[in-house]
Amino acid sequence: EADIYQTPRYLVIGTGKKITLECSQTMGHDKMYWYQQDPGMELHLIHYSYGVNSTEKGDLSSESTVSRIRTEHFPLTLESARPSHTSQYLCASSEGLIQETQYFGPGTRLLVL
Amino acid sequence: DAKTTQPPSMDCAEGRAANLPCNHSTISGNEYVYWYRQIHSQGPQYIIHGLKNNETNEMASLIITEDRKSSTLILPHATLRDTAVYYCIVGSNAGGTSYGKLTFGQGTILTVHP
Repeated sequence: EADIYQTPRYLVIGTGKKITLECSQTMGHDKMYWYQQDPGMELHLIHYSYGVNSTEKGDLSSESTVSRIRTEHFPLTLESARPSHTSQYLCASSEGLIQETQYFGPGTRLLVL
Repeated sequence: DAKTTQPPSMDCAEGRAANLPCNHSTISGNEYVYWYRQIHSQGPQYIIHGLKNNETNEMASLIITEDRKSSTLILPHATLRDTAVYYCIVGSNAGGTSYGKLTFGQGTILTVHP
C-alpha cells in the first residue's frame, strides 16, 4: 500500500482566492508529480520534481506553481483561483530508478465558483 | 514517447478471465510496459510492468509478445471490483536522465458484470 497523502480531498472555493493543495509521501521517493484530470478525461502531467529544489513544468500548461523544499512534501499553489481551474488534481511519487512505478494519492477535487 | 493503442471498452463476466490487449508497435529497446488502473476517478493504481519476459504478481499477469510490439494484461478471475479504466503505458526514460515520464492515454474501460 502506497503512503502518499493529499489534502484536502474536496475543496469548494470562490474565484480569486489563493489555494494550496498538499501532497506528502513517506516512502522517501525522490520523484514527485502533479497530474490534472477533468471528469472522464485523460490524466495530464502539469508538474514534476526530481528531488529537493527541483521543479519542472509538465506536458499541460498550468497556472499553478509547485515547490519542493523537503523530499516528502510537494505542494501545489494557485495564486488566484478561477472556474477554469475546476478539476481533479492527483499527486504521485516514484523511486526514480530506471523503471517508473508511480504511486498515486487519492486526489483533490477542486471546484471554483 | 512510444504510443499505445487500446480498445476503448471491454466487458467481462464475473469469475472469468479478463484479457486486455495493448499495441505498442514503436516501443524502443529499453522501454518498459506498465499497466495501471483507475477505479471511479480515484488515483490510478499500479498493476504490473515488464520489459521482455512475461510477468505475474498477485493482481495480474502480463504477456508481452516476442517482438514487444504488443502485450496483454490478464486478470485471471475478474470480480465486480475490477471494473475500472485500464491504462497501458510505455515508460520513457529520455536519454538516460533521471526523469521517467508516463503518458496516460484514454485506456480501456473494463466492465465486469455479474
